[in-house]
Amino acid sequence: GAVVSQHPSRVICKSGTSVKIECRSLDFQATTMFWYRQFPKKSLMLMATSNEGSKATYEQGVEKDKFLINHASLTLSTLTVTSAHPEDSSFYICSASGGTGEKLFFGSGTQLSVL
Amino acid sequence: GENVEQHPSTLSVQEGDSAVIKCTYSDSASNYFPWYKQELGKGPQLIIDIRSNVGEKKDQRIAVTLNKTAKHFSLHITETQPEDSAVYFCAASNSFQKLVFGTGTRLLVSP
Repeated sequence: GAVVSQHPSRVICKSGTSVKIECRSLDFQATTMFWYRQFPKKSLMLMATSNEGSKATYEQGVEKDKFLINHASLTLSTLTVTSAHPEDSSFYICSASGGTGEKLFFGSGTQLSVL
Repeated sequence: GENVEQHPSTLSVQEGDSAVIKCTYSDSASNYFPWYKQELGKGPQLIIDIRSNVGEKKDQRIAVTLNKTAKHFSLHITETQPEDSAVYFCAASNSFQKLVFGTGTRLLVSP
């Protein structure tokens, strides 16, 4: 299947700082990428849909000013958690569709811990 | 909107046994049903998927069945192995790529 690379895999930061997470499609172009959040032993919650060259679409209840998404190229989307607080600690996962099919492939996730 | 329920939440089997995980969905417009396997600390891995115009699909030890009338779909794993131990998520989509996930099933295969 298609490869989606996500970095970093783990990040620890102080409260009030911003953290950027990168999601890259390595062997295909992705006009649309998705960002999810997952709490321990819980399911994946869609946060936003990232569209190349346009503004992201956020799900209800997700603060767009807190979670900034940029999709500047067909192979890269970034999620920036601004002014992070301990409650933002979570596992963040991106996904992208490989080619023209609907199959979604996921990155390896980023564990964010805010102290 | 779409709502996906998944059962059981945990499933323990002996190596070599079969495992079945069931999901139901609410939106009759959903037409794509993938299954993902997630190991601890990793992202979900697509293991099999099925479209609404197909009733069953197999890939070696894994199969998925779909009952559109009842809005049920199931994952079947035969001859389970310890490396099958993981959390499995079903999902449904009616809007091209925007998946709604089930709550997950933690599968434990004991040697």
